[in-house]
Amino acid sequence: DIQMTQSPSSLSASVGDRVTITCRASQSISNFLTWYQQKPGKAPKLLIYAASSLQSGVPSRFSGRGSGTDFSLTISSLQPEDFATYYCQQSYSTPHTFGQGTKLEIK
Amino acid sequence: QITLKESGPTLVKPTQTLTLTCTFSGFSLSTSGVAVGWIRQPPGKALEWLGIIYWDDDKRYSPSLKSRLTFTKDTSKNQVVLTMTSMDPVDTATYYCAHRSEQWLEFDYWGQGTLVTVSS
Repeated sequence: DIQMTQSPSSLSASVGDRVTITCRASQSISNFLTWYQQKPGKAPKLLIYAASSLQSGVPSRFSGRGSGTDFSLTISSLQPEDFATYYCQQSYSTPHTFGQGTKLEIK
Repeated sequence: QITLKESGPTLVKPTQTLTLTCTFSGFSLSTSGVAVGWIRQPPGKALEWLGIIYWDDDKRYSPSLKSRLTFTKDTSKNQVVLTMTSMDPVDTATYYCAHRSEQWLEFDYWGQGTLVTVSS
């Protein structure tokens, strides 16, 4: 199985901050990397697919980059609605494993 | 517009078998390339990929749960069914079904999830 490791596990930041979350795969996954946002009690929401493609309707302050084993999700200017938990997932080979999540909290 | 919704028991006893149904609309699971996945999330924990069923009835399961999981589909009803045997309290989780995109294989549409508690 491909292991997905996110860092940090939690992050405190303020509205307006620029934040970056990283995700590392245990082997190359090309750019089969997806980012999801999840708020309490809700299903995950697709943000970024193919490592860097923004899902329709997602604000442009979200961006993704990377290929191979190292990936990142950046929020350029945090908004109050962005405080949530973020997950990466690889879809290169089954099982399509998720990272352990990064909880973004208000400082 | 694609929608999915999970249904089934909210409480099961240890050793029992769980059966969940994912009812969807806006796509057909008989169309080439289409797939529906299952994901679960224990309270306060991370998402766990359980597996996926494809339009051609091929299935892939999480290796750690493969012996206990079965997915079936009923294309006439637009439903996918998850069956998990030998339920244990550690299987307490919110179970989601989701539509898998055809190109980059991400889950682009999710059901609302259903919380299943395993307790005697």
